[in-house]
Amino acid sequence: GQQLNQSPQSMFIQEGEDVSMNCTSSSIFNTWLWYKQDPGEGPVLLIALYKAGELTSNGRLTAQFGITRKDSFLNISASIPSDVGIYFCAGQVGAQKLVFGQGTRLTINP
Amino acid sequence: ETGVTQTPRHLVMGMTNKKSLKCEQHLGHNAMYWYKQSAKKPLELMFVYSLEERVENNSVPSRFSPECPNSSHLFLHLHTLQPEDSALYLCASSQTGGGYYGYTFGSGTRLTVV
Repeated sequence: GQQLNQSPQSMFIQEGEDVSMNCTSSSIFNTWLWYKQDPGEGPVLLIALYKAGELTSNGRLTAQFGITRKDSFLNISASIPSDVGIYFCAGQVGAQKLVFGQGTRLTINP
Repeated sequence: ETGVTQTPRHLVMGMTNKKSLKCEQHLGHNAMYWYKQSAKKPLELMFVYSLEERVENNSVPSRFSPECPNSSHLFLHLHTLQPEDSALYLCASSQTGGGYYGYTFGSGTRLTVV
């Protein structure tokens, strides 16, 4: 079946640093989504990508849909304490259900 | 209320108890999902309902019983659970097939089985 490999699994950074995480797959996806989950809450959609090569920003967050349609990355610039949480990528093909990555747990040292 | 609402937010139950988790969506979606999230594990899809019919059951033990009485409500009935069933249970909804904007999640029910 389709699988997403998300890396890194965890990150420990200093406040103010930039963050980069990515998702790769052997399968092609038509849609890439990035979610963030705060501790004790459900995942919330951050960015949605619909075209190969698309680069989309949401404040300090930037995500790109890979040209091959098999990967995506998420960057966070100038991290702040509220960026702490788990970041999930998700991919979708047509009307099929979403496939989620394993998540990247971000910890920020003040 | 807007979005996806899950109740209760926290639940502690004994192994012999019967309880139910409730999920309600106010987004006009017609597909609903139950996920289990254990500590330091990925999201595990449990059940999928589309147009009020169960379309997926991912080898979930029978002590978990879902119910979808209409497109806005989803329940997860629990009985004779085990301590390893302690987890965050997330409900999500979408348009059929995932929709253009993916899934909208609720805040989850933190379940502790004692």
